[in-house]
Amino acid sequence: LAKITQPISMDSYEGQEVNITCSHNNIATNDYITWYQQFPSQGPRFIIQGYKTKVTNEVASLFIPADRKSSTLSLPRVSLSDTAVYYCLVGAYGGSQGNLIFGKGTKLSVKP
Amino acid sequence: GAVVSQHPSRVICKSGTSVKIECRSLDFQATTMFWYRQFPKQSLMLMATSNEGSKATYEQGVEKDKFLINHASLTLSTLTVTSAHPEDSSFYICSARDIDSSLETQYFGPGTRLLVL
Repeated sequence: LAKITQPISMDSYEGQEVNITCSHNNIATNDYITWYQQFPSQGPRFIIQGYKTKVTNEVASLFIPADRKSSTLSLPRVSLSDTAVYYCLVGAYGGSQGNLIFGKGTKLSVKP
Repeated sequence: GAVVSQHPSRVICKSGTSVKIECRSLDFQATTMFWYRQFPKQSLMLMATSNEGSKATYEQGVEKDKFLINHASLTLSTLTVTSAHPEDSSFYICSARDIDSSLETQYFGPGTRLLVL
């Protein structure tokens, strides 16, 4: 199973780009990398998912190097409302159960 | 799309009582649903995987007789905490996997805050 490591916390200011890196040295061939955002007392919200190279959507980009042992979530021009905990999830869904491992989360604080 | 609801959002109960939490996928079918527990300032811990029409698969250390899971249809899974005790107080979150989605992902419900007195 992949061991997931991500920074405990990060600080940023409004308008800056924020990059959060997740390490997953033991990632398996079938594993995907997914990032979620969670506000207090709410369920996590899907941000982006990737397998390799770069993925971009309307809210974020995900960079995955060729060896896939890490991934970086990039949030362009953050605002105060981006203050939340960001989780990296690595795993695959196979049959009735997948090996899904959540990181411990990175608490992002955006200041004015 | 991909909306998951949970009911109730918050419940307070006395020690020894049972509590049922419902998880519904509102606009998609989910053959697989997951149940998580989250303690304050901690990450999500997978409790069990719920499969429509079959028995749930529990993670190591999770008592299947205490946390009863039923997945009776493609849009509904329930978690019953039997004989709840204060140490069961936590934030319970379900998620569902969209069988028609091209993404290998799960969508989460809003969570249920359980407080056992």
